[in-house]
Amino acid sequence: GQQLNQSPQSMFIQEGEDVSMNCTSSSIFNTWLWYKQDPGEGPVLLIALYKAGELTSNGRLTAQFGITRKDSFLNISASIPSDVGIYFCAGRTGTASKLTFGTGTRLQVTL
Amino acid sequence: ETGVTQTPRHLVMGMTNKKSLKCEQHLGHNAMYWYKQSAKKPLELMFVYNFKEQTENNSVPSRFSPECPNSSHLFLHLHTLQPEDSALYLCASSQGDRTNTEAFFGQGTRLTVV
Repeated sequence: GQQLNQSPQSMFIQEGEDVSMNCTSSSIFNTWLWYKQDPGEGPVLLIALYKAGELTSNGRLTAQFGITRKDSFLNISASIPSDVGIYFCAGRTGTASKLTFGTGTRLQVTL
Repeated sequence: ETGVTQTPRHLVMGMTNKKSLKCEQHLGHNAMYWYKQSAKKPLELMFVYNFKEQTENNSVPSRFSPECPNSSHLFLHLHTLQPEDSALYLCASSQGDRTNTEAFFGQGTRLTVV
């Protein structure tokens, strides 16, 4: 089946720093999604990307749909303590159910 | 009320027990999903329901039995589970199983099988 390689697996950064994480795949996707999961909670959708090359922002978050349709990245600027959590990428090739998730990037923010 | 609500939040059960997980969505969506989230593994899709009809079963063992009585409610009936079934079980819903309709997740049920 399809697999998404998400990196890094974990990050420890200081408050105020910028963060970058990415997902790569050997397969083409027609949608890329980025979710955040807080401890003990379900994933929450942050950004959805529907076109190759698309760059979309949501507050301090910016994500891009790679031009090859096989990768995507998420940037967080000026990190704050509430950014702590696990960030998942997900790629989709068809309907809403055909999602493939990455293994997640665990983000820790120190003061 | 939150969009997708799951109960219970935590469940500990023995291998011979029978229990059920419940999911309710208040978003007017027509598709509902069960996912399994194990430690250090990607989310795994288990079942998909569209308009109360099961449209996908990803080779899930029969000890997991889903039920969707209407578009707002989804259950996962559990019986004779194994310790390796311990995981976070997430319910999600979306506006039909169509492109560009993203899924909203519940908070999950943390299941421990002893």
